[in-house]
Amino acid sequence: DAGVIQSPRHEVTEMGQEVTLRCKPISGHDYLFWYRQTMMRGLELLIYFNNNVPIDDSGMPEDRFSAKMPNASFSTLKIQPSEPRDSAVYFCASSPTGVGGYTFGSGTRLTVV
Amino acid sequence: DAKTTQPTSMDCAEGRAANLPCNHSTISGNEYVYWYRQIHSQGPQYIIHGLKNNETNEMASLIITEDRKSSTLILPHATLRDTAVYYCIVRAPGSSNTGKLIFGQGTTLQVKP
Repeated sequence: DAGVIQSPRHEVTEMGQEVTLRCKPISGHDYLFWYRQTMMRGLELLIYFNNNVPIDDSGMPEDRFSAKMPNASFSTLKIQPSEPRDSAVYFCASSPTGVGGYTFGSGTRLTVV
Repeated sequence: DAKTTQPTSMDCAEGRAANLPCNHSTISGNEYVYWYRQIHSQGPQYIIHGLKNNETNEMASLIITEDRKSSTLILPHATLRDTAVYYCIVRAPGSSNTGKLIFGQGTTLQVKP
């Protein structure tokens, strides 16, 4: 089991550019989550999916952020246009239905200059 | 989901047991207690969870008081690699908020030689 796979590990982009973060959940997990972590705000839940359907996107900060899950093995988080305040570490996690724990990926460190 | 209260930081001597407390006085009957940890620059890692009985796995033990208003995570023989931020979270799997694993500030555990 390769775990939750995120790419890229690091991303540096200029303000105004589009950024796409990618996530491959663990096979068989039917929940997928996107989190953002900053020093100021800690770990924040942005959005989560169940069976590829977005369930709660109340944590998405602005319309500049969008997330998709076209199939059970792939999800993207897109920021367009990016701003310096979007700089953070973005984590993807997945879990099966039930009481078990979540498995997190290694994260994508995004820097917007 | 119920809120939790944890000490901001704790120290532990290497080889000794680390006992991390958590208060969750407003926990509901269907809410589980989960513990995660985050080692610097890595994604959060699931440790253990429980409902009302004490639980043990290869990583730690979880002691939940009879009234379920508090719990303690025990690392029986702490090593330097256990230095991390530890998060206590209560959550009700299967509820309408099943995806809302909300992280607080956690306890920073420093294991010292």
